[in-house]
Amino acid sequence: DVVLTQSPATLSVTPGERISLSCRASESVDTYLHWYQQKPNESPRLLIKYASQSISGIPSRFSGSGSGTDFTLSINGVELEDLSIYYCQQGNSLPFTFGSGTKLEIK
Amino acid sequence: EVQLVESGGGLVKPGSSLKLSCVASGFTFSSYGMHWIRQAPKKGLEWIALIYYDSSNKYYADSVKGRFTISRDNSKNTLYLEMNSLRSEDTAMYYCAKSGGSRNFDYWGQGVMVTVSS
Repeated sequence: DVVLTQSPATLSVTPGERISLSCRASESVDTYLHWYQQKPNESPRLLIKYASQSISGIPSRFSGSGSGTDFTLSINGVELEDLSIYYCQQGNSLPFTFGSGTKLEIK
Repeated sequence: EVQLVESGGGLVKPGSSLKLSCVASGFTFSSYGMHWIRQAPKKGLEWIALIYYDSSNKYYADSVKGRFTISRDNSKNTLYLEMNSLRSEDTAMYYCAKSGGSRNFDYWGQGVMVTVSS
């Protein structure tokens, strides 16, 4: 199974900051790497697909990059509403797997 | 608007069975693969099952293989998860999710809680 390692586990940020979250795969997943946001007591929602493709309705401050084994989710100008856990997920091979998440805390 | 509404959860004893349902609306259900994904309390996400749009293929995580069965009824726009031989480690929120075109999950239900405890 492909193991996805996310770092950091927790990130404390100031509103307005630009931040980057990392997701590293144990083997190449090409660009079949997707990002989700899960706000407290809510279902996850898809943020970025295919490593860097935007999703309709998602604010433009969210962007993704990477391919192979190293991926990054960036938030350009964090807002209070971004308080969430962010998960990466690989769709390159079954079983589909998720990273353990990065929790974003707002200072 | 895409909607996925799960039901059928509850508190059950170890070794028992439960069947979850997920009613879909707002898209052509019969054209898309569907998934079940679960999240144990305070834990991360775990994909557990996939069914193709026409039920021709089904895939499971090792953690549920042989105990859980995914199925669908396209005439009723409904996805199912039959869970047998339930264990305490199956305690989780269970989400149904629609397949995106790029092997992701583009829409999620609100989730249904399953608690396995004596």
